[in-house]
Formats: sequence, C-alpha cells, structure tokens
Amino acid sequence: GAVVSQHPSRVICKSGTSVKIECRSLDFQATTMFWYRQFPKQSLMLMATSNEGSKATYEQGVEKDKFLINHASLTLSTLTVTSAHPEDSSFYICSARTVNNSPLHFGNGTRLTVT
Amino acid sequence: AQKITQTQPGMFVQEKEAVTLDCTYDTSDPSYGLFWYKQPSSGEMIFLIYQGSYDQQNATEGRYSLNFQKARKSANLVISASQLGDSAMYFCAIRIQGAQKLVFGQGTRLTINP
Repeated sequence: GAVVSQHPSRVICKSGTSVKIECRSLDFQATTMFWYRQFPKQSLMLMATSNEGSKATYEQGVEKDKFLINHASLTLSTLTVTSAHPEDSSFYICSARTVNNSPLHFGNGTRLTVT
Repeated sequence: AQKITQTQPGMFVQEKEAVTLDCTYDTSDPSYGLFWYKQPSSGEMIFLIYQGSYDQQNATEGRYSLNFQKARKSANLVISASQLGDSAMYFCAIRIQGAQKLVFGQGTRLTINP
C-alpha cells in the first residue's frame, strides 16, 4: 500500500531554535499533503494543507510565520517550526492520499520536545 | 462545519470478545465519507475502514465492520474476536465530498485484557 515516510521520529531542541520535519510519499505522488498536531491524550488537529507548487493553506489560529510549510515536489513536504518554544512541544504527523476520496496515509509522526 | 463525537474515552474488553466503538457525526452535506483509524502507542495512524454516505451496505474489512446508521448519523466500529494487539487509540473521522481535510473525533482508548 501507499507509504508515507516522516523524519525525524523524535527531536529535542532548545528554545529559540528551528526544527525541520520532512514528509515523503515513497511510492506515489502527492499533490496535497496535510500536517496535523496532536497534544498528549488529545485528537489530531489539522494545522495546514500543503499544496505542491503553491502556498500552504493554514487553519484558523495556526501561525503561518511560525510553522513554515514547503511543498517543493510531488513527493516531499516540509514543516519548519521556527523559533521553537516549549509550548510547541507536541506530536506532529503528516499525511497524504493517492487520489481523491482515498483514505489518508499517515507518516509515523515526529515527537518534538523543546527545552 | 463537520463534527465527530466519540463518547467513550476508554473501553476495556476481554480478549476474544467483540467490541463496539461509538461514533456520531454532524454534517449538513449529503455526500461525505467516514473513516476509522487505529493509533498504537508508537503513534502511527493506521487506516482501518471506510464508509461512504451513499454506500448501501455496511463496510467490512476482516475483523472490522462498520455499523452505519445514516438516519441516526452514527458510524460505530465493530471489532470481532478482539486480540491483545487491538489495544490502541481509535479515531473516527469525517470528510465531506470535495473537501480535502479529515476532521477527527476525540478518540477512544481500547484496552484488551487477557
């Protein structure tokens, strides 16, 4: 089946630094990828929709200047958490689908800890 | 706007028993899809089953089946012959036709006891 690879799986960074998370579709082309955030014991909340070759669409309340999304190719989207703070510590997970109406395939997620 | 409600924060079931996880949804759009995902402690989201709003029959995938009651706007997941490996968080989600994003419920933590 479709595989989505996310890297790194875990990252610890210091407050004020930036962290880049990669999301790759390994065996299909994804014109659209999605970035979710999940706080402990909570549900997945959509942060933004990443469109290949164009600007990402952010959900209400998500700071676009803080969470930079780049979707430069049909198989790669990146999320950069800029000037990270402890409150940005969370589980970030990306997803993509092969064609319209197919299920989303998720990466394994990135657990970010900001100290 | 679409909304998913999962009213069971936690469920405890004996191994080999069947279990039903509840999911109700709210949307005014006539065309939509309902999804169930499993999230083990490792964090990955595993797709389990899909039901389209116009599907005449309830979806089934191996031990998973979906009890779709459109008039009641419910889409309960039934797991038959539960196994220890079924212990995980389970999320119900909805996507309306033409929209891209999935909206998730709060999840149910299922624990299978030996």
